[in-house]
Amino acid sequence: GESVGLHLPTLSVQEGDNSIINCAYSNSASDYFIWYKQESGKGPQFIIDIRSNMDKRQGQRVTVLLNKTVKHLSLQIAATQPGDSAVYFCAERNYGQNFVFGPGTRLSVLP
Amino acid sequence: DSGVTQTPKHLITATGQRVTLRCSPRSGDLSVYWYQQSLDQGLQFLIQYYNGEERAKGNILERFSAQQFPDLHSELNLSSLELGDSALYFCASSVDLRPASSGNTIYFGEGSWLTVV
Repeated sequence: GESVGLHLPTLSVQEGDNSIINCAYSNSASDYFIWYKQESGKGPQFIIDIRSNMDKRQGQRVTVLLNKTVKHLSLQIAATQPGDSAVYFCAERNYGQNFVFGPGTRLSVLP
Repeated sequence: DSGVTQTPKHLITATGQRVTLRCSPRSGDLSVYWYQQSLDQGLQFLIQYYNGEERAKGNILERFSAQQFPDLHSELNLSSLELGDSALYFCASSVDLRPASSGNTIYFGEGSWLTVV
């Protein structure tokens, strides 16, 4: 499938290194956040989420950190693998149930 | 596989035409969302339905409409198509009206790629 977001910011990491993908969100009242991974030609795939009453949440090889003071969300991927290459989006829920998505970051894993 | 099914996967049509995109949510999910993803605008929320009723509207054009049927599947109708409507259209679903946790979050389908020529 055709790639979307050809002008996305790109993060390049060596295989085996840790990756940190950042996201600034817009609304201090947002109460729920989700990270998605989107591979070329596929739909966004749920990775991990966090509610605003938490600062950190861990999954398998992934950790999400939430800093409400500066409205910043980050996704850490441990021991990055070639299969992690994709576009990563953060989404915040504000104004009720609507979700707003960030522009995305393209992660490129170098061999 | 998220469990959200969208058809068709690809569609090429001419300007001025009308198309219908179809979505079957995950089993048990009552809420359906439609998103548009284009190269220059990322993922844009269009509309949300919950148990057959429209519950939230985003930047959906008047030429576009949607509905959710009693069996919970949804259709997005795009009419008077323009070149700028070419995009990936995603359907997503969630159990509840207001997703708030991993057990009640939003899952996306694989999308319908619309090309208007």
